[in-house]
Amino acid sequence: DVKVTQSSRYLVKRTGEKVFLECVQDMDHENMFWYRQDPGLGLRLIYFSYDVKMKEKGDIPEGYSVSREKKERFSLILESASTNQTSMYLCASRRAGVRVRNEQFFGPGTRLTVL
Amino acid sequence: GENVEQHPSTLSVQEGDSAVIKCTYSDSASNYFPWYKQELGKRPQLIIDIRSNVGEKKDQRIAVTLNKTAKHFSLHITETQPEDSAVYFCAASSYAGGTSYGKLTFGQGTILTVHP
Repeated sequence: DVKVTQSSRYLVKRTGEKVFLECVQDMDHENMFWYRQDPGLGLRLIYFSYDVKMKEKGDIPEGYSVSREKKERFSLILESASTNQTSMYLCASRRAGVRVRNEQFFGPGTRLTVL
Repeated sequence: GENVEQHPSTLSVQEGDSAVIKCTYSDSASNYFPWYKQELGKRPQLIIDIRSNVGEKKDQRIAVTLNKTAKHFSLHITETQPEDSAVYFCAASSYAGGTSYGKLTFGQGTILTVHP
């Protein structure tokens, strides 16, 4: 059973703070993703990583950065948090390959509030 | 880049009725179309997916149809039950080369409510 965990379920930060969101998966998946979820906007991709040390910008990367130093861990960093980054953040992982089921497994989410 | 539009944003049905959610996509290179279900307070989970070489796929009470010419695909749920109440997301993706599919682009989501 795939398990994707995120470091916090709820987080409250102040404007200008540096924020770290951590995601860990235990199924040796190559691909990992960070999304933010806002009502009426669906899931929007912030960054993704095909493998260790690799990263690619998603659709809304501004104000965020990521780090993937180990295969199982993918970190999302808000360099200077702003109120418009208040949102639900979801991490996901996926096994690479075109002959496997192309399923993304999601973490439970982190609800971040920036005051 | 890819753009996925999903309709309706909310859908209310009586238990036992059918529910249909529709999505359109813009990138003709997209060839993989999954549907995710997110129950209240829980994480999204894949419920069914279809690749572009198939026009329809069925799994018990749920089915997905794909029209590549028109660039739209739909989720059909028959004999709805209260436990089908959730937010449903469609998505589209294309083969990225090498060993991976590319990123998923999600629709805006549909809140389905099934009344007992």
